[in-house]
Amino acid sequence: DTEVTQTPKHLVMGMTNKKSLKCEQHMGHRAMYWYKQKAKKPPELMFVYSYEKLSINESVPSRFSPECPNSSLLNLHLHALQPEDSALYLCASSRLEPEPQYFGPGTRLLVL
Amino acid sequence: AQSVSQHNHHVILSEAASLELGCNYSYGGTVNLFWYVQYPGQHLQLLLKYFSGDPLVKGIKGFEAEFIKSKFSFNLRKPSVQWSDTAEYFCAVKGTYKYIFGTGTRLKVLA
Repeated sequence: DTEVTQTPKHLVMGMTNKKSLKCEQHMGHRAMYWYKQKAKKPPELMFVYSYEKLSINESVPSRFSPECPNSSLLNLHLHALQPEDSALYLCASSRLEPEPQYFGPGTRLLVL
Repeated sequence: AQSVSQHNHHVILSEAASLELGCNYSYGGTVNLFWYVQYPGQHLQLLLKYFSGDPLVKGIKGFEAEFIKSKFSFNLRKPSVQWSDTAEYFCAVKGTYKYIFGTGTRLKVLA
């Protein structure tokens, strides 16, 4: 299994909602990543988990809250988002940092 | 500050033409360098990587890249492109703490 899966594929939420994005891999990778990608822009790193511990937080607003409950799973909890947070949220994993990353298909988020 | 530049934003080539996409980075320390590709409707996937050793690295689908430390460059090349190479190509750099992607180059290959 060489896949990174992400659910849901699409998400529409209001500014007062709380929702979560989920990412899963079964490749035994010990590093997992969240990226945000706006249209026609490159992915921007948000968070890196290494061995289930947060190793990089790129000064992301606290309305985004990552969680890594085990080595296969990575969540991104969303609360009180703004319309400008609408984007494609990509998850990736790698065997270790900084090895090449396997990307998931992303969750397309729209904040109304 | 660490940064990555891809100067070619859009490239159009005919099949069998040679390809070179530029990538320059600014970071004084040790770097790990990557090229990723995103085919239409698909997600990002790794083309090739450089960590150390031979500065000429070969990747999948006939792509190669050369790390030139003195020029802070990691240009992607392919001697003869195919229609199926139509995609967006991202250079990425990992410094001590940061991962940064370049702005991407959209390649269109005409059949």
